[in-house]
Amino acid sequence: IAGITQAPTSQILAAGRRMTLRCTQDMRHNAMYWYRQDLGLGLRLIHYSNTAGTTGKGEVPDGYSVSRANTDDFPLTLASAVPSQTSVYFCASSASRDGTGELFFGEGSRLTVL
Amino acid sequence: GQNIDQPTEMTATEGAIVQINCTYQTSGFNGLFWYQQHAGEAPTFLSYNVLDGLEEKGRFSSFLSRSKGYSYLLLKELQMKDSASYLCAAMDSNYQLIWGAGTKLIIKP
Repeated sequence: IAGITQAPTSQILAAGRRMTLRCTQDMRHNAMYWYRQDLGLGLRLIHYSNTAGTTGKGEVPDGYSVSRANTDDFPLTLASAVPSQTSVYFCASSASRDGTGELFFGEGSRLTVL
Repeated sequence: GQNIDQPTEMTATEGAIVQINCTYQTSGFNGLFWYQQHAGEAPTFLSYNVLDGLEEKGRFSSFLSRSKGYSYLLLKELQMKDSASYLCAAMDSNYQLIWGAGTKLIIKP
């Protein structure tokens, strides 16, 4: 029973490098989300996808891109990492397309950009 | 603007009851969520309220007053494992979740 799997769990990255955080779910959920969590702040939505083939921008999308080629996978790419992108990143999914359902979160990816 | 307010930290004693408050201001409203997050772990769902009133689920209950923009999470018979952060999130008219910064609950024996 996997639920949502994120990789890597932790990464240290030099500024300017490209990085892809992987997210895979096996629950056949329609909606998927990427959040970042920083100390003292609430979870902030980066990008989301209500169904395979569609994506949308969240509250803090700049510097990030996503794709949703199929139901299961929702990778998040940092094209050129900057220190302000140091954070814990959570991928989440929901069975409901409008977000009113329970969110299931992955274990998180801790990213440090130097 | 849209905003969620909840206390930063609370302390309670094992076996006691604690109430964690949350006030929200959103453009429209489609429900209020509570999540639990242990240190270094992922958030996990506790409750969802969209109608006024109290919903009880075991030792945890969640209350909503839409007219006051207010919710609380009530934890009874506190156990050491309840030490965690509790995240309040309100859903606006666009079905976007607005998250509070979380309340860190410390349980003392």
